Amino acid sequence: QKEVEQDPGPLSVPEGAIVSLNCTYSNSAFQYFMWYRQYSRKGPELLMYTYSSGNKEDGRFTAQVDKSSKYISLFIRDSQPSDSATYLCAMSVSGGSNYKLTFGKGTLLTVNP
Amino acid sequence: EAQVTQNPRYLITVTGKKLTVTCSQNMNHEYMSWYRQDPGLGLRQIYYSMNVEVTDKGDVPEGYKVSRKEKRNFPLILESPSPNQTSLYFCASSTPLGRAKNIQYFGAGTRLSVL
Repeated sequence: QKEVEQDPGPLSVPEGAIVSLNCTYSNSAFQYFMWYRQYSRKGPELLMYTYSSGNKEDGRFTAQVDKSSKYISLFIRDSQPSDSATYLCAMSVSGGSNYKLTFGKGTLLTVNP
Repeated sequence: EAQVTQNPRYLITVTGKKLTVTCSQNMNHEYMSWYRQDPGLGLRQIYYSMNVEVTDKGDVPEGYKVSRKEKRNFPLILESPSPNQTSLYFCASSTPLGRAKNIQYFGAGTRLSVL
């Protein structure tokens, strides 16, 4: 079983839809959870960062972490064509002793006008 | 303006010819990393550095070397490139992972082809 699993999609939604992106993981030691957005031919950009379990909201984006289920989600409300990109999840065990990040393979999202 | 600068952006080389990809950041970040991105395999960490003279292996370090002699620079060295190192490479810098906040910036990428 891979450490981090992410459905590659592609996912196509109409403008204004609520988008749900998910990752599952197997390593219960992961404590830091991140979501990145990557536009075509660009470097990734950090979108959301969460420590341990819980929810975090930033504008139209909400990140959820459920450590008991080893499942993380990113919700995008009122999706826009400019949200069309690949979304990557990433996780890390410990910020103090190492900086090893494990990524999902990414989900390609298209928001249609 | 916060920046992570990689050079070159594009490189075609031949098997066995040593090359260096440079990475520089202007944010005084302690953490820096190198990644490669391949279709179907996603983004994988090659090496990371948590401070000057402190480096460690990521998931795919074989065939690569790094050094961190100055805080702002983190070059990636391929001593003897092989075709399986053809990939898109990203450098990133970051504040330490902590409970409250994390700031990360990625470079624009270096597309490497090894013939």
